Amino acid sequence: ETGVTQSPTHLIKTRGQQVTLRCSSQSGHNTVSWYQQALGQGPQFIFQYYREEENGRGNFPPRFSGLQFPNYSSELNVNALELDDSALYLCASSLKTGVNTDTQYFGPGTRLTVL
Amino acid sequence: SQKIEQNSEALNIQEGKTATLTCNYTNYSPAYLQWYRQDPGRGPVFLLLIRENEKEKRKERLKVTFDTTLKQSLFHITASQPADSATYLCALDGAGNNRKLIWGLGTSLAVNP
Repeated sequence: ETGVTQSPTHLIKTRGQQVTLRCSSQSGHNTVSWYQQALGQGPQFIFQYYREEENGRGNFPPRFSGLQFPNYSSELNVNALELDDSALYLCASSLKTGVNTDTQYFGPGTRLTVL
Repeated sequence: SQKIEQNSEALNIQEGKTATLTCNYTNYSPAYLQWYRQDPGRGPVFLLLIRENEKEKRKERLKVTFDTTLKQSLFHITASQPADSATYLCALDGAGNNRKLIWGLGTSLAVNP
């Protein structure tokens, strides 16, 4: 186990609704990255938070937003849900230092289904 | 743009044989490359990291090679076991792109008893 936890495990929403997913990072890690993984695909980078600031963003629209808290836990918020948002959402924590390799430690994921 | 390719077809091998998975990349030179294992419905689990100045890295039954000339990494599992059945993902250092990892689609491995 990586020590990264995510909640909830599963979630069902309808189009147009909003959702908040939560992640607790591994102890000692200061960076959280969020990924979307559709079935049969590799993880797609959504964004990364480092010390409570967004530190890079992938090709996702502004309705995907996030937060990182002082304890380095994080939230992913998605507004105006679309059917294509159905996926496994993965949170990964890492320790960002001056010379680091950004090895990611993943949580179990949240399975989001949009009907 | 940066691109990563992994064996698109699932790999089926007999228990005890060596599994070899391929990760090819184009259009840049990553400082390192990582391999992860992912089981269905679970998050990826880090296995090995190899840097651009390393040719080979080993961990127990796992071996990774990194050929920066061919722009290719090979991932080997020796003496494979049914428990090794999973999807294996390679991820490369995104360099100037805020150093975020760039991921392949993964290769599914099935080890048959």
